[in-house]
Amino acid sequence: QKEVEQDPGPLSVPEGAIVSLNCTYSNSAFQYFMWYRQYSRKGPELLMYTYSSGNKEDGRFTAQVDKSSKYISLFIRDSQPSDSATYLCAMSGNTGGFKTIFGAGTRLFVKA
Amino acid sequence: GAVVSQHPSRVICKSGTSVKIECRSLDFQATTMFWYRQFPKKSLMLMATSNEGSKATYEQGVEKDKFLINHASLTLSTLTVTSAHPEDSSFYICSAKEFGRGNEQFFGPGTRLTVL
Repeated sequence: QKEVEQDPGPLSVPEGAIVSLNCTYSNSAFQYFMWYRQYSRKGPELLMYTYSSGNKEDGRFTAQVDKSSKYISLFIRDSQPSDSATYLCAMSGNTGGFKTIFGAGTRLFVKA
Repeated sequence: GAVVSQHPSRVICKSGTSVKIECRSLDFQATTMFWYRQFPKKSLMLMATSNEGSKATYEQGVEKDKFLINHASLTLSTLTVTSAHPEDSSFYICSAKEFGRGNEQFFGPGTRLTVL
């Protein structure tokens, strides 16, 4: 079993839709959770960074962490064609010298 | 803030030559930098962790003599692909953690290496 599971998609939605992206994980030691957005042929860009459980909102983006279920989510409201990218979840904890584990990434297409 | 640059953005070289890629943190000090490799439509594959002033830690299966990493200062790490072969063609991305800050990694824009 992989430490981090993420559906690679692709996920295709119409413009204006609410997008839900998810990751599950197996290591209960993870405490830091991140979402990155990566456009084609570019480096990943940090979108959201959360510690432990709870919600965090930034503009159209909301990150949720449910440590009891080992499940994290990223919601994108009022999705735009410019949101079309690959979204990677990432997490780390106090084990392994804070090594960060990345999900496989979900490819999102927002159609105009 | 937290900007990471990479140079060059794209390089084409002949088989057998060596290629150096630079990773710089422009507006912060990075005690730790990471080097990743990414194949098309695949996720990031960590190659090595580089700490300033010490030897890099390589992931299992990554040849340290093939991929030389130097972290000479708090703002610069270099990756040298020695005796490059076509199978080394890939997208190489570095990231950096800011000293005294949390666990966020800030990524560079990547370097596309093509070995002919």
